[in-house]
Amino acid sequence: AQSVTQPDIHITVSEGASLELRCNYSYGATPYLFWYVQSPGQGLQLLLKYFSGDTLVQGIKGFEAEFKRSQSSFNLRKPSVHWSDAAEYFCAVGARAGTALIFGKGTTLSVSS
Amino acid sequence: EAGVAQSPRYKIIEKRQSVAFWCNPISGHATLYWYQQILGQGPKLLIQFQNNGVVDDSQLPKDRFSAERLKGVDSTLKIQPAKLEDSAVYLCASSLDRALRGGELFFGEGSRLTVL
Repeated sequence: AQSVTQPDIHITVSEGASLELRCNYSYGATPYLFWYVQSPGQGLQLLLKYFSGDTLVQGIKGFEAEFKRSQSSFNLRKPSVHWSDAAEYFCAVGARAGTALIFGKGTTLSVSS
Repeated sequence: EAGVAQSPRYKIIEKRQSVAFWCNPISGHATLYWYQQILGQGPKLLIQFQNNGVVDDSQLPKDRFSAERLKGVDSTLKIQPAKLEDSAVYLCASSLDRALRGGELFFGEGSRLTVL
């Protein structure tokens, strides 16, 4: 069965500092991997996705993530955090296109000035 | 293009009452999902439709929850009778099924239910 683990419940980063949010997945084959962001009272917005090809993927808002098969990880990074990045971040895994996604419990990002 | 539409945005009911949520997916998206998101947790799949057929409803509490997708477009999720633990945000999502699109889900803004 697929599963996703986000080890960090809450992270605080200073504005302008770099960010890395961790995500580990469990799945037998090459999964479809996603990062979504959720601002308070809003739905989920896709940041980036990986399903094949280059293991370093670029997303919106300056985010990137790297798929590491050997570590079963798909960590999200940003070189310089902005105050507007404060939100809830969810990692998700899917078996293939058209299948439901399994979400992690999320990481809350706070940005300090 | 228009996004996934959901209504109502907020609903407050007493326990044992009933409630219904409506979702209109993105035009042309064959697959529709209902997720439940309890405060502090990630979304959990309740039911998945492909056109108007059910693909997966294994996590839907069928004694109180029901969902339908008539004509393969709009969908309704109903809870009857509601329990306190049903307080959550109900998210509707839709997706294309073509592999080249990468399988991403497009989410609505959600319907927040409070059961008193």
